[in-house]
Amino acid sequence: DTGVSQNPRHKITKRGQNVTFRCDPISEHNRLYWYRQTLGQGPEFLTYFQNEAQLEKSRLLSDRFSAERPKGSFSTLEIQRTEQGDSAMYLCASSLAAGEYEQYFGPGTRLTVT
Amino acid sequence: AQKVTQAQTEISVVEKEDVTLDCVYETRDTTYYLFWYKQPPSGELVFLIRRNSFDEQNEISGRYSWNFQKSTSSFNFTITASQVVDSAVYFCALSEGLGAGGSYIPTFGRGTSLIVHP
Repeated sequence: DTGVSQNPRHKITKRGQNVTFRCDPISEHNRLYWYRQTLGQGPEFLTYFQNEAQLEKSRLLSDRFSAERPKGSFSTLEIQRTEQGDSAMYLCASSLAAGEYEQYFGPGTRLTVT
Repeated sequence: AQKVTQAQTEISVVEKEDVTLDCVYETRDTTYYLFWYKQPPSGELVFLIRRNSFDEQNEISGRYSWNFQKSTSSFNFTITASQVVDSAVYFCALSEGLGAGGSYIPTFGRGTSLIVHP
């Protein structure tokens, strides 16, 4: 396994459009996390899954943000009606079962909303 | 108030110098976890170390060492004999049991950019 992968690596979209990002975690990891990182800041936690269950979603930035992990493997993060303020790097990470284990990060998807 | 404070925004050193990156955290939990991650220019965060709140032993891994002091709520990171390849942004993170069902939610500091000049 080569690690956490994310697609696409870059996405440019026009304001108001919907976008979806995909994350494929390390295969034996059953926890999957989504973060947003803006310039000069650390990753900001958005949500996470244990297998297919979304255990924490109160930190999603607005109701325009949603995430799924239907079969407990890959996950998608969707942003509806994008705004310029959504421009950021969206990071995915995975870890073994318990949240206190280290997380392995993917390369991120850079979103630019024009 | 920030849960994780990395007061040093940027540090610039010359190769072979020692450098310490500071991390101060805030939590009311008795059980928590602290991490350091490295984000090189390529962008992908890389795990460096994990420490739980019950283990205050310092740790050394090659040129890297970590000093965990609960009394001052600090978890500082020292690079000995820095090298150009150490140039990166370093993040300290705190994982507390504040999520649904007591799940651990990580909070990252803003990072310290380390520039090592040849």
